[in-house]
Amino acid sequence: IAGITQAPTSQILAAGRRMTLRCTQDMRHNAMYWYRQDLGLGLRLIHYSNTAGTTGKGEVPDGYSVSRANTDDFPLTLASAVPSQTSVYFCASSGTGDTDTQYFGPGTRLTVL
Amino acid sequence: GQNIDQPTEMTATEGAIVQINCTYQTSGFNGLFWYQQHAGEAPTFLSYNVLDGLEEKGRFSSFLSRSKGYSYLLLKELQMKDSASYLCAVRDSNYQLIWGAGTKLIIKP
Repeated sequence: IAGITQAPTSQILAAGRRMTLRCTQDMRHNAMYWYRQDLGLGLRLIHYSNTAGTTGKGEVPDGYSVSRANTDDFPLTLASAVPSQTSVYFCASSGTGDTDTQYFGPGTRLTVL
Repeated sequence: GQNIDQPTEMTATEGAIVQINCTYQTSGFNGLFWYQQHAGEAPTFLSYNVLDGLEEKGRFSSFLSRSKGYSYLLLKELQMKDSASYLCAVRDSNYQLIWGAGTKLIIKP
């Protein structure tokens, strides 16, 4: 593994189904983030975690949950998917330093029908 | 509320120079980032400004004026591979990134 990986790459899901998007990083970064990106809108933060064992709500947390059991993994769960959750989901991580630059995974394209 | 404004789309010619502007109104300021995003791919980091002035990195430069809430990304000697969206993001007082919607840059031969 090099950097951040996400799975699956894409998924078509029936409304009402439960879905977990996976994110793993091997950079030993403390902070991790989940964003959604929709056409014409900026990236919007769903949830974040500043360190293993802690999580926080972002701008658009409703309908999503996260956990951070260890440094490397930060899964995002949709408990009961709805069509408005159709989007591209990006996981990112950042270390501690002068810039705390966020580095992004390749994304998961999710379609909820 | 918090707001980041960028032009939606710009067109430029291969070999030329283009300037992409970003204005922001945020609760607090802890740095401004520029990212590049090719279609269907993840954003990748380009530059970071926290103090006023110009940061140069090869063909790309980024400028910041905190008093004016303004930044620009300058791309020189444009190449076809520079066709992408350019995202401006500001880190606010909560240390979270607030993102603009991005500027789609189209390069013509």
